Amino acid sequence: GEDVEQSLFLSVREGDSSVINCTYTDSSSTYLYWYKQEPGAGLQLLTYIFSNMDMKQDQRLTVLLNKKDKHLSLRIADTQTGDSAIYFCALGGTGRRALTFGSGTRLQVQP
Amino acid sequence: KAGVTQTPRYLIKTRGQQVTLSCSPISGHRSVSWYQQTPGQGLQFLFEYFSETQRNKGNFPGRFSGRQFSNSRSEMNVSTLELGDSALYLCASSVGTAQETQYFGPGTRLLVL
Repeated sequence: GEDVEQSLFLSVREGDSSVINCTYTDSSSTYLYWYKQEPGAGLQLLTYIFSNMDMKQDQRLTVLLNKKDKHLSLRIADTQTGDSAIYFCALGGTGRRALTFGSGTRLQVQP
Repeated sequence: KAGVTQTPRYLIKTRGQQVTLSCSPISGHRSVSWYQQTPGQGLQFLFEYFSETQRNKGNFPGRFSGRQFSNSRSEMNVSTLELGDSALYLCASSVGTAQETQYFGPGTRLLVL
C-alpha cells in the first residue's frame, strides 16, 4: 500500500528557518501538496509542486522534491509564532482517487 | 470567492443514533470529497462525489454514506453511530475531479458518547 511518512515534531526559534520533511513510497503522484492545520481548524492549502519540478518558491515557502529518493521537503524562512501548526504532506493527482496524507509534523515556534 | 463551508461545526451524539453533515463547495467546484481525521488513524478518505454520483469510495463500512445535490452541495450520513466514529470530518472541493487541487472546509467535529 501507499506509505507517506513525516517526523512527528519540530521545534524552532522565531526567526530561524524550519524544514519539514516527507518521504513516500509510491512515485506515481503528479501533484505533491503541503497543507497546514491550526488547532480546531480545517486544512489550509499552503503550496504544491508538480512531479516534474525540483523546486518551487512561494514567498517564505520553498518546496524541494527529490524524485530519486522520494523525498519532499517544505522550508519556511523567518519562521514566526503564527507558523505554529501541524503540517501535512499529501500525494495526489493523476491516477489517484483521493489525497494520501502523511501523519503530520507539529511545528512549535519558540519566541 | 467564499471558501468551503461545513455545517454544523460541532455535534454531540450518542451511540446508535445517526447524523447528517453538510458541505457547500466553493462556487464553481463540482467535485466534493469527504475525509475522516482521528488521532489514531490520521486523515482517511471516505468518498468523492461529482455530478451527483459517487465516483470513488474509501474503506469504510456501509454505515457511512453520502450524496450530492444538483448545486454540488453534499451531505454525508453516518448511521448507528459507534464511539469510534468520533472524529473531525473534513470536506474538500475541487473544480472537476479529485485529482485536481482540493480545498478544505473547517470540518465538523463529531463526538459520540
